[in-house]
Amino acid sequence: DAMVIQNPRYQVTQFGKPVTLSCSQTLNHNVMYWYQQKSSQAPKLLFHYYDKDFNNEADTPDNFQSRRPNTSFCFLDIRSPGLGDAAMYLCATSTPGTGSYEQYFGPGTRLTVT
Amino acid sequence: GDSVTQMEGPVTLSEEAFLTINCTYTATGYPSLFWYVQYPGEGLQLLLKATKADDKGSNKGFEATYRKETTSFHLEKGSVQVSDSAVYFCALTRTTDSWGKLQFGAGTQVVVTP
Repeated sequence: DAMVIQNPRYQVTQFGKPVTLSCSQTLNHNVMYWYQQKSSQAPKLLFHYYDKDFNNEADTPDNFQSRRPNTSFCFLDIRSPGLGDAAMYLCATSTPGTGSYEQYFGPGTRLTVT
Repeated sequence: GDSVTQMEGPVTLSEEAFLTINCTYTATGYPSLFWYVQYPGEGLQLLLKATKADDKGSNKGFEATYRKETTSFHLEKGSVQVSDSAVYFCALTRTTDSWGKLQFGAGTQVVVTP
């Protein structure tokens, strides 16, 4: 089945130690998104890629970076995690250019910062 | 700017009860409307959608009708099960957005007891 895959599902890192979360998709969608979600609040958009074009939300901290080496993969890098960065990180994809605007989400990576 | 308002939770009800979650929105033009569901520890799943006025989205016994005159998209289910316990998010996207940004409501937690 076509899907959005996130690895790992659970990640523990130490305060200040860089960490990378990964997302892959078999949907061949051209837009990929990264969200941060805390305590069943609404997901907060960090940034998105439209093909290779990177778009940062204005309030996303510089500590968060992203890479998209090809259509299928996208990475979230947290350069120096703080305790406040502990959250669920969700990857999503969509293909709005076709007129279909729904986003397809992965299962998420739960990040713990110790 | 665009916004989505949904009723606060938690909503607690017994199995086989009728569920309504109210959702209203503010947006210019004709947004697409969505309901997403999030089960504990999981990512978001698209539950249903509607793309134009008077459209009714339905899935798994859930329904919602796009009401432009009242700017609403209330979610209903006639007989809930324990397995429907989850957080439900109402969301919209402007179809004039080239990349399909989702605006979420705050989420409503639903707890169904046997």
